Amino acid sequence: DTGVSQNPRHKITKRGQNVTFRCDPISEHNRLYWYRQTLGQGPEFLTYFQNEAQLEKSRLLSDRFSAERPKGSFSTLEIQRTEQGDSAMYLCASSPRGLAQVSYEQYFGPGTRLTVT
Amino acid sequence: DQQVKQNSPSLSVQEGRISILNCDYTNSMFDYFLWYKKYPAEGPTFLISISSIKDKNEDGRFTVFLNKSAKHLSLHIVPSQPGDSAVYFCAARRYGGSQGNLIFGKGTKLSVKP
Repeated sequence: DTGVSQNPRHKITKRGQNVTFRCDPISEHNRLYWYRQTLGQGPEFLTYFQNEAQLEKSRLLSDRFSAERPKGSFSTLEIQRTEQGDSAMYLCASSPRGLAQVSYEQYFGPGTRLTVT
Repeated sequence: DQQVKQNSPSLSVQEGRISILNCDYTNSMFDYFLWYKKYPAEGPTFLISISSIKDKNEDGRFTVFLNKSAKHLSLHIVPSQPGDSAVYFCAARRYGGSQGNLIFGKGTKLSVKP
């Protein structure tokens, strides 16, 4: 399977614990994105990488959140001192760098569902 | 404030008929629009897109129409099939914005009845 993969698919944690999620993008996609989706809402942008460089962060990404993409391949999203409000689906997406034709399509993974108790 | 609005939370259509999903936006700087389909327990799947320089894009049973003056786009599915039952999200990208920031609506749940 050559799609975007995310691990784990589900995570239950107690308030105050740290959690880390992993995303493996489609091979050769140099752009990687993290979104958060809560019930009844569309995905909300968190952060974006081009290769290993983190180029944009949403104001939703508080200082308890950190994302890395150390070698420009997979990425991790860490949440420190989790709160109940962090409970959501965390989605990762990737896209290729457009050459001749500009395109903005992003291809999503299945998501990691986080439940903070 | 919601810059991309999908005002119908749900839509029910008979198999074989046309499904029309609507999306309104408020930011005139949006220059590219996308539709995604989402099944339960899966991530959104890209469906079709349209640039603001066009007013129509067609791909098989799916056609997206863009009315820039009304800041409105719609997705037409003809003919609708039971497998089309899913939540459909409209998304937009802002001209001059980063490559990352797609802004999504809240989605419309489509049910296609056999």
